[in-house]
Amino acid sequence: NAGVMQNPRHLVRRRGQEARLRCSPMKGHSHVYWYRQLPEEGLKFMVYLQKENIIDESGMPKERFSAEFPKEGPSILRIQQVVRGDSAAYFCASSPQGLQAGDTQYFGPGTRLTVL
Amino acid sequence: GENVEQHPSTLSVQEGDSAVIKCTYSDSASNYFPWYKQELGKGPQLIIDIRSNVGEKKDQRIAVTLNKTAKHFSLHITETQPEDSAVYFCAASEVDYKLSFGAGTTVTVRA
Repeated sequence: NAGVMQNPRHLVRRRGQEARLRCSPMKGHSHVYWYRQLPEEGLKFMVYLQKENIIDESGMPKERFSAEFPKEGPSILRIQQVVRGDSAAYFCASSPQGLQAGDTQYFGPGTRLTVL
Repeated sequence: GENVEQHPSTLSVQEGDSAVIKCTYSDSASNYFPWYKQELGKGPQLIIDIRSNVGEKKDQRIAVTLNKTAKHFSLHITETQPEDSAVYFCAASEVDYKLSFGAGTTVTVRA
């Protein structure tokens, strides 16, 4: 059973461009979570999605950021008009059900975004 | 929202000695406390977790203790080995799915 897959692993963008980060959860997992890790800081929750639904996006900036988890295909975190402050490692995690069911989150290797 | 503080930020131990990392949290409603190990260039890997109905949990050389009254929990690694060198993060779950992470502890095990 493959783990959580993220691509690309490294992404370089110039200011004003768009960044699209992809996450394929573990097989059988229908819950996806995105986190951002700034240099030398802990991970910060951004958004929680189930298939075709955003459950909680309270940690995601209201502007320029969006996330989706379609019925088919990977979850996508999209950052429009990137700025240097968006440079960070973005991690995706998945779980079979929500944590209230006793699950744990399993993390992918992350995408390291660098904005020039 | 939940605020998790983690200490120390760096920890250097001699191989074979024990390492202890401590975390405090602010939201008394938190009921899930996992610990993650992150190696360079990789994502966090769950090493142990504890829920609020348990005061202590052990898995081989790793143990976690939880004091809900004081709102703090700790990670104990005994008989440290060089491969234990990594960044360790504690986390608390404020709302079932939303993990709040500490800032991390960089552990270095000296051979």
